[in-house]
Amino acid sequence: NAGVTQTPKFRVLKTGQSMTLLCAQDMNHEYMYWYRQDPGMGLRLIHYSVGEGTTAKGEVPDGYNVSRLKKQNFLLGLESAAPSQTSVYFCASSYAAGGPYEQYFGPGTRLTVT
Amino acid sequence: GDSVTQMEGPVTLSEEAFLTINCTYTATGYPSLFWYVQYPGEGLQLLLKATKADDKGSNKDFEATYRKETTSFHLEKGSVQVSDSAVYFCALSGGAGGTSYGKLTFGQGTILTVHP
Repeated sequence: NAGVTQTPKFRVLKTGQSMTLLCAQDMNHEYMYWYRQDPGMGLRLIHYSVGEGTTAKGEVPDGYNVSRLKKQNFLLGLESAAPSQTSVYFCASSYAAGGPYEQYFGPGTRLTVT
Repeated sequence: GDSVTQMEGPVTLSEEAFLTINCTYTATGYPSLFWYVQYPGEGLQLLLKATKADDKGSNKDFEATYRKETTSFHLEKGSVQVSDSAVYFCALSGGAGGTSYGKLTFGQGTILTVHP
């Protein structure tokens, strides 16, 4: 049971380049989330998904797109990277039924945009 | 909207000292409250949680009590160890009413360093 995994672990992009971050979970969780972590700001929700084929915007969605084609995978895309997107990105997942929805986090992806 | 405020950090303590990290929140309805911990180079792990007023969450000798009257969820430990050095995040879920889908609102995090 690997839990929540993220690839890649590190990436450096030039401004304007695109990339996709992959999140995978093997816990059969319905809900999945993408957060970014910036110094002094905690984690902020980018997008989330409540099931296969569904996505919704979080607190800071601009500049990002997501897809949830399979229940176990949640992809985060940057179409045209900007230096402001330099951050550490975390994926998380949780059960749907009942509460209070403990979230399980991946190890993170450190992205630098130059 | 919902918000979480944590005490300013970083916090530096000697081993066996008493730890308090303050957390206050603003939310409508009846949120669930959490403390997550992030060790260097890792993702976040749930440390403890409380789902209603006066509940006490506890784990690994850490504890926090859900105080609705003061909208607080302060983290405490009686005797810290070097291995407790990490970043601690207070968070809430479900405060805005309706179905929140488990979305978490985080505080800014508090860096704890414990020296031998």
